[in-house]
Amino acid sequence: NAGVTQTPKFRILKIGQSMTLQCAQDMNHNYMYWYRQDPGMGLKLIYYSVGAGITDKGEVPNGYNVSRSTTEDFPLRLELAAPSQTSVYFCASSYGSNQPQHFGDGTRLSIL
Amino acid sequence: GENVGLHLPTLSVQEGDNSIINCAYSNSASDYFIWYKQESGKGPQFIIDIRSNMDKRQGQRVTVLLNKTVKHLSLQIAATQPGDSAVYFCAEPLEGSQGNLIFGKGTKLSVKP
Repeated sequence: NAGVTQTPKFRILKIGQSMTLQCAQDMNHNYMYWYRQDPGMGLKLIYYSVGAGITDKGEVPNGYNVSRSTTEDFPLRLELAAPSQTSVYFCASSYGSNQPQHFGDGTRLSIL
Repeated sequence: GENVGLHLPTLSVQEGDNSIINCAYSNSASDYFIWYKQESGKGPQFIIDIRSNMDKRQGQRVTVLLNKTVKHLSLQIAATQPGDSAVYFCAEPLEGSQGNLIFGKGTKLSVKP
């Protein structure tokens, strides 16, 4: 049982480049989330989705985009990478609200 | 507004002792709380949750206590082991949201052999 799988694990980008962080879950969860975690801090919600075709902004959505074409996948897109987006990105999923969220192991992104 | 925070940023305990990690919340309407463990280089791992209709819930070596009167949550780890060394976060749903969680900054637990 893979749970939540994130790729890549590490990436270095130059300012202005774009990339997509991949997230897939095999638990048939309806809800999926993207967080960022800066050093020594808690997690901040970027975007979330309550089902295929439905996405919504979280606390820190600027500079990011998401799509949810299937239940399993929830990619996060950075269009114009900026140094402020250097962080560790975590994807999570849950059956619904007020249910435990299950996290992937993160993508460590550095923008230079 | 909601505020999920932890009283102590670091906690150091002797192997075999019990650990208590505390969390304060400000939204008296919160009805669900979760504890996560995050080891270095890994994603948060679900430990235990509790709903507001309970005061206490026990898992394997862990107990969560909820005091709604003072809006306080605690995680107790019995017979702490080196493998328990990690950062522990409490989280609660954001009011009016669809399952979004608010996380505290975390408490780093260090276990001394």
